[in-house]
Amino acid sequence: GAVVSQHPSWVICKSGTSVKIECRSLDFQATTMFWYRQFPKQSLMLMATSNEGSKATYEQGVEKDKFLINHASLTLSTLTVTSAHPEDSSFYICSASSGLVNEQFFGPGTRLTVL
Amino acid sequence: AQTVTQSQPEMSVQEAETVTLSCTYDTSESDYYLFWYKQPPSRQMILVIRQEAYKQQNATENRFSVNFQKAAKSFSLKISDSQLGDAAMYFCAYRSRNLGGSEKLVFGKGTKLTVNP
Repeated sequence: GAVVSQHPSWVICKSGTSVKIECRSLDFQATTMFWYRQFPKQSLMLMATSNEGSKATYEQGVEKDKFLINHASLTLSTLTVTSAHPEDSSFYICSASSGLVNEQFFGPGTRLTVL
Repeated sequence: AQTVTQSQPEMSVQEAETVTLSCTYDTSESDYYLFWYKQPPSRQMILVIRQEAYKQQNATENRFSVNFQKAAKSFSLKISDSQLGDAAMYFCAYRSRNLGGSEKLVFGKGTKLTVNP
């Protein structure tokens, strides 16, 4: 099956710093990647959708200047949390779609803790 | 906008028994996909089963089956012969299938399933 990886799996950073999370499709070309945020015991909240080579589409209420998304290649998308604050602490999950099958493949997630 | 509702925040089942998780959705679209995802404590999202709305036949995957009632906009998941490894959060999700429609998934709030030995 299709595999999506995320790096790092967990990260701790100081308030005010920026953190980059990578999402890679390992064995297929991902035309579309999605970034989700999940708070404890809650559902996944879609933050943005990114298509390779174009600007990401952000969901309402998500600050595009704070959560920078880059989908520069068909196998890599990055999420950068800029000037992170403790309220940005959360579990971030990416998923990827090739457009050929009607399924999104999920990464294992990244736990971000901002001190 | 589409919405997905899971009315059971928590459910429990005895090992080897059968449990049904409920999901209803609201949409004005005629063609779409419905999914059940499992999220174990590792938090890796795992696809359990998928249903295309145009198919009348209910999808099945081994011990997992769905009861898809399109008119009622209901999509329940039945887990037969429950196993300890089935313990997880279960999310129901909707995706548009219309041409030009978004690929994004709309998730319900989830149901936490506990399997008792």
